[in-house]
Amino acid sequence: QQQVKQSPQSLIVQKGGISIINCAYENTAFDYFPWYQQFPGKGPALLIAIRPDVSEKKEGRFTISFNKSAKQFSLHIMDSQPGDSATYFCAAVTSGTYKYIFGTGTRLKVLA
Amino acid sequence: DAGVIQSPRHEVTEMGQEVTLRCKPISGHNSLFWYRQTMMRGLELLIYFNNNVPIDDSGMPEDRFSAKMPNASFSTLKIQPSEPRDSAVYFCASSTGQGQPQHFGDGTRLSIL
Repeated sequence: QQQVKQSPQSLIVQKGGISIINCAYENTAFDYFPWYQQFPGKGPALLIAIRPDVSEKKEGRFTISFNKSAKQFSLHIMDSQPGDSATYFCAAVTSGTYKYIFGTGTRLKVLA
Repeated sequence: DAGVIQSPRHEVTEMGQEVTLRCKPISGHNSLFWYRQTMMRGLELLIYFNNNVPIDDSGMPEDRFSAKMPNASFSTLKIQPSEPRDSAVYFCASSTGQGQPQHFGDGTRLSIL
């Protein structure tokens, strides 16, 4: 119930392509869904986040799509760049708690 | 603005030794989290504090692990005695409260020989 399933585990995309990472959850009490980006040797950094009252949120080249009925959300990176090569984590949290439930991560490599 | 500061960045020690990891949260943040990251298990929440009080330590793997937060600007995670399977990257994160974005430090890479 508390798990967040993330896929794929790794992803290789050509420069300029679209990177898509998917996450699914079971607990309907989750009401905040952030995505984190982590570069080697660094801590995860908040990239973009969404609440379930909207179906999509866009910030620059990064878009979260949210499907409440399917209990799924995804990160789309448009015009992917080599600098986007990193590990991406989705997470889910119930706003009445402090605990983030993280997905297992997706290692993205964007080829130049 | 200063982010979450962790020290040391790297620690290599022998099995059986005591290890102390340190964290300074972002000023004004009243929630602090300790995570462990490994290839096999990903990011695991070990313990979190709110207003310096431990709220949930159910993620602490064994009694060998302990954490303290003596004041709003400092926390420690201690492992005694350390074992090779404790080798991982340990992250500290802080936030302004429930459900708010967590800001991570750059971690301590711990190697137990």
